[in-house]
Amino acid sequence: QITLKESGPTLVKPTQTLTLTCTFSGFSLSTSGVGVGWIRQPPGKALEWLALIYWNDDKRYSPSLKSRLTITKDTSKNQVVLTMTNMDPVDTATYYCAHSWVQGGTGFDPWGQGTLVTVSS
Amino acid sequence: QSALTQPASVSGSPGQSITISCTGTSSDVGSYNLVSWYQQHPGKAPKLMIYEVSKRPSGVSNRFSGSKSGNTASLTISGLQAEDEADYYCCSYAGPYVFGTGTKVTVL
Repeated sequence: QITLKESGPTLVKPTQTLTLTCTFSGFSLSTSGVGVGWIRQPPGKALEWLALIYWNDDKRYSPSLKSRLTITKDTSKNQVVLTMTNMDPVDTATYYCAHSWVQGGTGFDPWGQGTLVTVSS
Repeated sequence: QSALTQPASVSGSPGQSITISCTGTSSDVGSYNLVSWYQQHPGKAPKLMIYEVSKRPSGVSNRFSGSKSGNTASLTISGLQAEDEADYYCCSYAGPYVFGTGTKVTVL
């Protein structure tokens, strides 16, 4: 059974850097084709894809947020870390991580429960 | 990269069929057979319902089906049930990924 769980601060101040950790079980990020992605959802709004890292360290970023995002993996710890710099109140959202089983776009399944991050001074 | 366009809301009576459209461009939906659909109940994480345009993950009801024509993908829910009331999002691979604007499905 695959599970993922997001962790990190619930409140960050404007201009600060957000660091989120996705800790997973039931699969390995050293398995060919496997990836972990991050998706966010502002309150009452739509999903927005942020970034994805694959087993071979191939990294993909949202073009509109690429300059602010960094995604890394620690295969030994079964963790993926997303950092987002220069946080703004518009970045207030629930942040989800999700498993991707085929390199190259097939989809995300399952998802973590999500973690709400509020950006406020 | 702009979000894929979905109708804001779709409704139907129990037992009916409804279809949700997802319109993109020749750079995303039109270029790849890599459209997925997600169901999200209030306060819950999204759940994969369809991947690669028309494939159903294990455990997803066969009342859910997907298709694509040109730059538009569609999700059809047949035999609508009360439990299908939720938000639905499409997603397309385009190098990076792009999600749709979301559709609220109401069961009358």
